[in-house]
Amino acid sequence: EVQLVQSGAEVKKPGESLRISCKGSGYTFTSYWITWVRQLPGKGLERMGRVDPTDSYANYSPSFQGRVTISTDRSINTAYLQWSNLRASDTAVYYCARCDYGAGICLDWGQGTLVTVSS
Amino acid sequence: EIVMTQSPATLSVSPGERATLSCRASQRVSSSLAWYQQKPGQAPRLLIYGASTRATGIPARFSGSGSGTEFTLTISSLQSEDFAVYYCQHYDNWPYTFGQGTKLEIK
Repeated sequence: EVQLVQSGAEVKKPGESLRISCKGSGYTFTSYWITWVRQLPGKGLERMGRVDPTDSYANYSPSFQGRVTISTDRSINTAYLQWSNLRASDTAVYYCARCDYGAGICLDWGQGTLVTVSS
Repeated sequence: EIVMTQSPATLSVSPGERATLSCRASQRVSSSLAWYQQKPGQAPRLLIYGASTRATGIPARFSGSGSGTEFTLTISSLQSEDFAVYYCQHYDNWPYTFGQGTKLEIK
């Protein structure tokens, strides 16, 4: 059974750094892209970026370029999303997903990680 | 960046009836179009890809059509579990983008 298990909820202060994780199992980790999707409270889905676990090549949607870093550690089948300078506007649920077709078709999703940024 | 526009924002339909959801792309995306369903408190679920191919395990009452810039998701006979928010998303060229969603609610 394919599973993507994300790290737990986080509460941070503005300006702090954070890394959340997404561990894949039940499939060959390097055969599928991982994408990260943001969902602001009560809002829709936003694609943040994607990473190819084969070589950790990542690219980002323009709105998120320079704000976050996406990476993988294929030795432990885990993808990461990290911030170096959190803002209150980063408060959201973040989903990872296993995707095909260069991260276009997202077959399986993690359970989501709620990140709350508040002073 | 391609902008995806869904209509209507909210659709009220009675159980057993048909629901038709629309999605328009600001540029041609061929058939590189997927539909996702999201229920409250849950992660999205892939329904349709390639504009018309149902994902594994998706019931036959869900169907997708269209190509180029105009796409449709049809749910032929609504079940109680189908009331949710539906998103279209293109994957023609990066960045892939979602529509703003259509909330399907019980009439």
